[in-house]
Amino acid sequence: GDSVTQMEGPVTLSEEAFLTINCTYTATGYPSLFWYVQYPGEGLQLLLKATKADDKGSNKGFEATYRKETTSFHLEKGSVQVSDSAVYFCALIQGSNYKLTFGKGTLLTVNP
Amino acid sequence: GAVVSQHPSRVICKSGTSVKIECRSLDFQATTMFWYRQFPKQSLMLMATSNEGSKATYEQGVEKDKFLINHASLTLSTLTVTSAHPEDSSFYICSARGVLQGTGTDTQYFGPGTRLTVL
Repeated sequence: GDSVTQMEGPVTLSEEAFLTINCTYTATGYPSLFWYVQYPGEGLQLLLKATKADDKGSNKGFEATYRKETTSFHLEKGSVQVSDSAVYFCALIQGSNYKLTFGKGTLLTVNP
Repeated sequence: GAVVSQHPSRVICKSGTSVKIECRSLDFQATTMFWYRQFPKQSLMLMATSNEGSKATYEQGVEKDKFLINHASLTLSTLTVTSAHPEDSSFYICSARGVLQGTGTDTQYFGPGTRLTVL
């Protein structure tokens, strides 16, 4: 079945550092790929998405590019802020049923 | 602001009792609602998919008699954990799929989750 593997955390960075959270997927078809973020005490929020190969999703300074050849969707940000501290989930949807398959999540802590 | 609410946010109950968790979509009609379960340091596991007015579709391995889902309206779905036991302790998250007014896009929105502890 479909699966998502993302780097295990926790990840601790200093403010303004460069962030990469790796995500790879296994799917039989051509899934849509997502990054969700969960801030402390809140529900998951869609951060960005990409629906086809070579698409780049971006939002709030975060970017991720859909790489079909490496089945990856790595999340990057050039300069993190303390307010970016959260859990980040990589996910995919296969087909039109809207069923999300999630990775295990990566806890990011950004220190001032 | 939040577009999907869950109630309660936390619940502690005794073993053998039943617990109901509500999921509401705010300001939009949800064509489909999903229920997830999240264990510590684990990913979200889809439990079931529910459509308004029809029976829920459960994922493999999820006991439908244990986790009763009722999607009574386009804005409300409930999950009832029946005869709860300590192993049912978990974080339960719902999501609602629909078109939020002003966005024009069909998107899935998540609730903040409910922490269930069974003693």
